[in-house]
Amino acid sequence: GAVVSQHPSRVICKSGTSVKIECRSLDFQATTMFWYRQFPKKSLMLMATSNEGSKATYEQGVEKDKFLINHASLTLSTLTVTSAHPEDSSFYICSAYDRVSGNTIYFGEGSWLTVV
Amino acid sequence: GQQLNQSPQSMFIQEGEDVSMNCTSSSIFNTWLWYKQDPGEGPVLLIALYKAGELTSNGRLTAQFGITRKDSFLNISASIPSDVGIYFCAGPVVEYGNKLVFGAGTILRVKS
Repeated sequence: GAVVSQHPSRVICKSGTSVKIECRSLDFQATTMFWYRQFPKKSLMLMATSNEGSKATYEQGVEKDKFLINHASLTLSTLTVTSAHPEDSSFYICSAYDRVSGNTIYFGEGSWLTVV
Repeated sequence: GQQLNQSPQSMFIQEGEDVSMNCTSSSIFNTWLWYKQDPGEGPVLLIALYKAGELTSNGRLTAQFGITRKDSFLNISASIPSDVGIYFCAGPVVEYGNKLVFGAGTILRVKS
């Protein structure tokens, strides 16, 4: 099946710094990717929709200047957490929409961010 | 807005038993997706359903897309310890750019 790869799987950063998480669709082109945040034992919370070649669409309550999303190519979207704070520590997951091979959405492995 | 009601919230079963969980919606979906998430991992697609009434199997897993397109169930037969995890139903909302709407998840624990 289709594969979506996320990197890094775990990252620790200091408060005030920025960290970038990459999401790649490995064997299909994804015009649309999604970024989620997940809290322990909770369902995924959609943060934003990333569209190739255009600005991301953010969900209500998500700060676009804090969570910068860039979908520069059909296989890569990046989420940059700027000026990170401890409360940004979380599990971030991306997904990619495979329109061609089955109109299905595949998820990355997730990235654990710890801000110290 | 559209939402999916998933039940049960959790299950604690004996190894070898069959498991059934379901999702319902007040709105029609054109696609139903079932995912499993292991702790600390991203959700993995188990089964995708595209047609009303469709019954699809993937090994010991069987899922059906309800005829009204407002519900779906997932069955796991002869459960094993590695079936432990959280199972989510989800459906893309076409008019919202295929954003996924999720069920709250079913936590499955298996006693060996």
